[in-house]
Amino acid sequence: QKEVEQDPGPLSVPEGAIVSLNCTYSNSAFQYFMWYRQYSRKGPELLMYTYSSGNKEDGRFTAQVDKSSKYISLFIRDSQPSDSATYLCAMNNEKLTFGTGTRLTIIP
Amino acid sequence: DGGITQSPKYLFRKEGQNVTLSCEQNLNHDAMYWYRQDPGQGLRLIYYSQIVNDFQKGDIAEGYSVSREKKESFPLTVTSAQKNPTAFYLCASSIGTRYNEQFFGPGTRLTVL
Repeated sequence: QKEVEQDPGPLSVPEGAIVSLNCTYSNSAFQYFMWYRQYSRKGPELLMYTYSSGNKEDGRFTAQVDKSSKYISLFIRDSQPSDSATYLCAMNNEKLTFGTGTRLTIIP
Repeated sequence: DGGITQSPKYLFRKEGQNVTLSCEQNLNHDAMYWYRQDPGQGLRLIYYSQIVNDFQKGDIAEGYSVSREKKESFPLTVTSAQKNPTAFYLCASSIGTRYNEQFFGPGTRLTVL
């Protein structure tokens, strides 16, 4: 079993919809949680960084962490075609462990 | 403008050749990393360095080598011993190695001909 599980998709939603992206993990030692956005043939870009259970909001993005369930989510409100990308979750203890990424397409 | 640069963007290698990928950062970060990205496998850690003149193997170090002679630079050599080197290579840096978010360069796409 992988330490971090992420549904690879692909996920297609209409413009303006709310998008929910999720990861589960098995290592309870993970303390820091990140979401990266990666456009095709580009390096990942850090979107959100959290270190505790609960919600963190930044514009249209909300990161949610539930340590008791070992489950993290990224919500995108009012989704735009420019949000079309692969979204990677990542978790840090001694090193950063990545999910495989979810490919998201926003349909105009 | 602070950031991480990688060169070249595309690299072609003949079988049996060694090639070196460049990574430079001007963020004054102590830690630097090399990852390999393959479709459906996410990012896998090749090598990382916490400080100048020191580096550690990651999960898939076989067939790769690195050096860290300067804080700003962390080049990766893909040797002929790497059996399946075609991949997208990403360099990253962070303030430190524990609990610090990593920032990535634009990547180098290596193709073996």
